[in-house]
Amino acid sequence: EAQVTQNPRYLITVTGKKLTVTCSQNMNHEYMSWYRQDPGLGLRQIYYSMNVEVTDKGDVPEGYKVSRKEKRNFPLILESPSPNQTSLYFCASSPTGTLYNEQFFGPGTRLTVL
Amino acid sequence: SQQGEEDPQALSIQEGENATMNCSYKTSINNLQWYRQNSGRGLVHLILIRSNEREKHSGRLRVTLDTSKKSSSLLITASRAADTASYFCATGVYGNNRLAFGKGNQVVVIP
Repeated sequence: EAQVTQNPRYLITVTGKKLTVTCSQNMNHEYMSWYRQDPGLGLRQIYYSMNVEVTDKGDVPEGYKVSRKEKRNFPLILESPSPNQTSLYFCASSPTGTLYNEQFFGPGTRLTVL
Repeated sequence: SQQGEEDPQALSIQEGENATMNCSYKTSINNLQWYRQNSGRGLVHLILIRSNEREKHSGRLRVTLDTSKKSSSLLITASRAADTASYFCATGVYGNNRLAFGKGNQVVVIP
């Protein structure tokens, strides 16, 4: 089944404890992206990747890192999480960027930073 | 980056009625997409309309795009309880490999 998977789905952590949220897609998509969703703010893009080893900042990249060593994986790293990073996170992929391409979303990761 | 702005923010209708949502944006786009999100879940793509298209249909969905007014509308006909969800518009811009999402419309269909 074609899908985007994220792990973990739920995570409660404490301030400053490094964490990684994994994202994987099995559709051979070139483009992958991370979003965060907060009440009243909609979805905001954190980082995106056009292909392996190519990443770029979105609207709200501060406090996050990403890497794209393989086409299928795009992990999101929070080196030192803070409470303002408590949010619902979505990974998405599309065949070749956003030009005339729909994005396929993962199920989401709900992160709470205490 | 630009963002779509949906209007109205929340809509409550009876099953069988039509639901209409609007989205406005600020700059020139190459496509506009609509997504649905059921409570707390991932977004699901509904329909994509290109900047040179004015109207598109998919099942019970009808999307219009007016580039002169920088606006789009999503019409859901003969709504069902299963259509209860949040609906987001997202715009893609020439030369920018990103989608900018609006804040979403909450639609509740009452059985």
